[in-house]
Amino acid sequence: DTGVSQDPRHKITKRGQNVTFRCDPISEHNRLYWYRQTLGQGPEFLTYFQNEAQLEKSRLLSDRFSAERPKGSFSTLEIQRTEQGDSAMYLCASSHRDREPYETQYFGPGTRLLVL
Amino acid sequence: SQQGEEDPQALSIQEGENATMNCSYKTSINNLQWYRQNSGRGLVHLILIRSNEREKHSGRLRVTLDTSKKSSSLLITASRAADTASYFCATDGTGGFKTIFGAGTRLFVKA
Repeated sequence: DTGVSQDPRHKITKRGQNVTFRCDPISEHNRLYWYRQTLGQGPEFLTYFQNEAQLEKSRLLSDRFSAERPKGSFSTLEIQRTEQGDSAMYLCASSHRDREPYETQYFGPGTRLLVL
Repeated sequence: SQQGEEDPQALSIQEGENATMNCSYKTSINNLQWYRQNSGRGLVHLILIRSNEREKHSGRLRVTLDTSKKSSSLLITASRAADTASYFCATDGTGGFKTIFGAGTRLFVKA
């Protein structure tokens, strides 16, 4: 396994701009998660995919946030009209539904977003 | 909102000592996991304990789970400087796919 990768690792943007992050999960992992983490806090769940289906979405995910996993492999998280409060680390994780312990999530290094 | 709450928020010990951190949660769970996060390696899974288990060991780690008190503890024995990190408990409920992390315990092990 090559691990979960995320791109970019850092993003600085101006308020009001749109940003898109990419996550490549571990090969054959059919579960994919997005989290947001702010300084001094634990990761906050944003959304969950099983294959290409988005099965759960947090109320934290406002209409400005959207996530896709079109072919059940990589995923993108887009934030429209960014606000300063969106500044955070965005983490992606993956797991395999059929491999014990299937609840274990493997995290990527994260994308750190700064909105000016 | 964060279901798990770790205690203490921060812990500083000498190398070789044991470190104990606690996690409390609010709703029924299927399992509880502990993760470690440091700047070098990001978030790494440590151990998982299921709701029908009471204790689990993995190397220098010992996890207990008390579902009647909705609490868990993580014990790290013979700590090393490399154990310096933030430790999070994470739970998922009996329905849905959401995993909820606590705010973490920051452990500092002095050499």
